[in-house]
Order: sequence, then C-alpha cells, then structure tokens
Amino acid sequence: GAGVSQSPSNKVTEKGKDVELRCDPISGHTALYWYRQRLGQGLEFLIYFQGNSAPDKSGLPSDRFSAERTGESVSTLTIQRTQQEDSAVYLCASSLAGQKNNEQFFGPGTRLTVL
Amino acid sequence: LAKTTQPISMDSYEGQEVNITCSHNNIATNDYITWYQQFPSQGPRFIIQGYKTKVTNEVASLFIPADRKSSTLSLPRVSLSDTAVYYCLVGTRRVYNNNDMRFGAGTRLTVKP
Repeated sequence: GAGVSQSPSNKVTEKGKDVELRCDPISGHTALYWYRQRLGQGLEFLIYFQGNSAPDKSGLPSDRFSAERTGESVSTLTIQRTQQEDSAVYLCASSLAGQKNNEQFFGPGTRLTVL
Repeated sequence: LAKTTQPISMDSYEGQEVNITCSHNNIATNDYITWYQQFPSQGPRFIIQGYKTKVTNEVASLFIPADRKSSTLSLPRVSLSDTAVYYCLVGTRRVYNNNDMRFGAGTRLTVKP
C-alpha cells in the first residue's frame, strides 16, 4: 500500500521567502509528526498532531514556523521568512493511534536549502 | 521521556554480530523501548520494540535486563547494507505531548568488508 509521501522532495529558496512543505500520511493514521534533521545530525522533533489538533506547539523552533492538519489527513508545515539555519531535511511520520507499538512510518523527507 | 544515551559510532565487519547498547536510567514503568534504523537519504524505519526480557524478529533481537535501565540491540551477521544510524527511543506507546516523542542522537554503524 501507499506509504507516507512528502512534497516537494527538494526545495531551494532564497533567504526571506516563505515555504510550504506538505505531508500525506498513510490513510487511517490519526497521528502525524514533523521532524527536522540537519546534515549529519539526529532527529529534532517539531510538532505532533492527534487528528487535526496539535496539543503542544512548543517544539516549533520559532514563531516563523507553523503547521496545520485538515481532514485528519494532509498536513502542511510553513516556514515564513526563511533563514539559512532553516536548511535541513524535514521529515514527516504517521502512526495508527492505538496500534500495539505506535510504530511511526516515515516519509522520504523534503530537503530544504535556503540560500 | 526517559533520556537515552548511545555510543556515537561503531565499526564492524561483515558477518559479525553487532550489539548496540542504549542506557536509559530513568525509564518509567509504562515506557517501552523502540529502535529505529535510518539509511542515508531516507526516513527512519521501525526495527523492534520491547518492554522486558528478550524480543526477536526477523531483523534483530532486543535484550532488556530486569532493571530495564539499559537495552541492547543485537544484529546477527551484519552485511554492508546494515550500515546506518540506529536510534533508541524510550517512551509510552501513546503520545500525549512533545516529550513523549524525542529521538536521541543515534549510533552510526559502519560495516566494513
């Protein structure tokens, strides 16, 4: 079956521009997660959705970052006024809430480069 | 969420057994231990999860001592394709807030011919 998909796969933008990253989770997965991974680094948790709600937004790096989810499906991560330090791979994952092991299924990521 | 500590990197040779240990001294009663594998340019993927004693699947084994303050991921007879970063994650099965879903820095395993 279809896994988690993300678009675009690569995004190059100029400093100060806004970008929108999209995540399509596995159908039926009520939980959705966004992570950031800088080159050679581990995973940095950003935000988690249960359904369309994000109970805790404190993981977002700054107020330039926002995320939303609609229809318990697609999620978008928006970065306003991008900075060079925003350059990273942004990973999305989904899981079936209540699943025995809460296994997260990851997408291929969006590689963001801010010039 | 229990803090985890893993070696930054490990080297091995093809055909050897590799054991990666994760320390989680403040693991809570309801916490499970989960390992993920990440290949270059890919998202992580679930390998194995356990609560106590030993768990084995077609990919790996997970050994958890009685005090559960550490766990060891065991990869039998590794091949070059096992070169990846391995993450240990400790937490409850249900995510309630941000603290329930934090990955550590991971262990970079390099398998040599």
